[in-house]
Amino acid sequence: DGGITQSPKYLFRKEGQNVTLSCEQNLNHDAMYWYRQDPGQGLRLIYYSQIVNDFQKGDIAEGYSVSREKKESFPLTVTSAQKNPTAFYLCASSIQHLNYGYTFGSGTRLTVV
Amino acid sequence: AQSVTQLGSHVSVSEGALVLLRCNYSSSVPPYLFWYVQYPNQGLQLLLKYTSAATLVKGINGFEAEFKKSETSFHLTKPSAHMSDAAEYFCAVTRAGTALIFGKGTTLSVSS
Repeated sequence: DGGITQSPKYLFRKEGQNVTLSCEQNLNHDAMYWYRQDPGQGLRLIYYSQIVNDFQKGDIAEGYSVSREKKESFPLTVTSAQKNPTAFYLCASSIQHLNYGYTFGSGTRLTVV
Repeated sequence: AQSVTQLGSHVSVSEGALVLLRCNYSSSVPPYLFWYVQYPNQGLQLLLKYTSAATLVKGINGFEAEFKKSETSFHLTKPSAHMSDAAEYFCAVTRAGTALIFGKGTTLSVSS
């Protein structure tokens, strides 16, 4: 079955460490997205990519980095520059036109310890 | 700039009662509008979408929404709530064809 897979489901990070969240899709979607979810704040766009080897900053890109070397994969790195990284991170994918909306992964919960 | 406002962060209804979750949008171009549902610690699932066809849109699980351009609204309704409808609901609008902008969400509680 086609879908979008995020791993790990839970991740713990020490202060000052970089961590990478994985997002893989086999839907043949061109576009992929990363959102951060905090209680009461909805989903905020971190980065998005509409084509391989190209990506754009969203509304809260500071302290994050991404790559898009393959159509199927869009990993997100949370760097030590992100001062408040504890959150629920959601990856999504879509066809280019967006009229079908997104398909979401099941999320990664990142906690700083 | 496109934006979405969901009125009411928390809505409580009794089982069998009408569900009404409010969403107002701002968009300088004809929008695509979506409602998503999220259960705890899971991703979001698409309930329904408006893409400039019929203004009354029917979705999964008995939900529907009506696009009203004059009121810039896209409210979500269900005639009779079920316990399994308890979840968080998000309204979203397209932003310049590049990504979706989400509202802050409305948590629906259903009591027996």
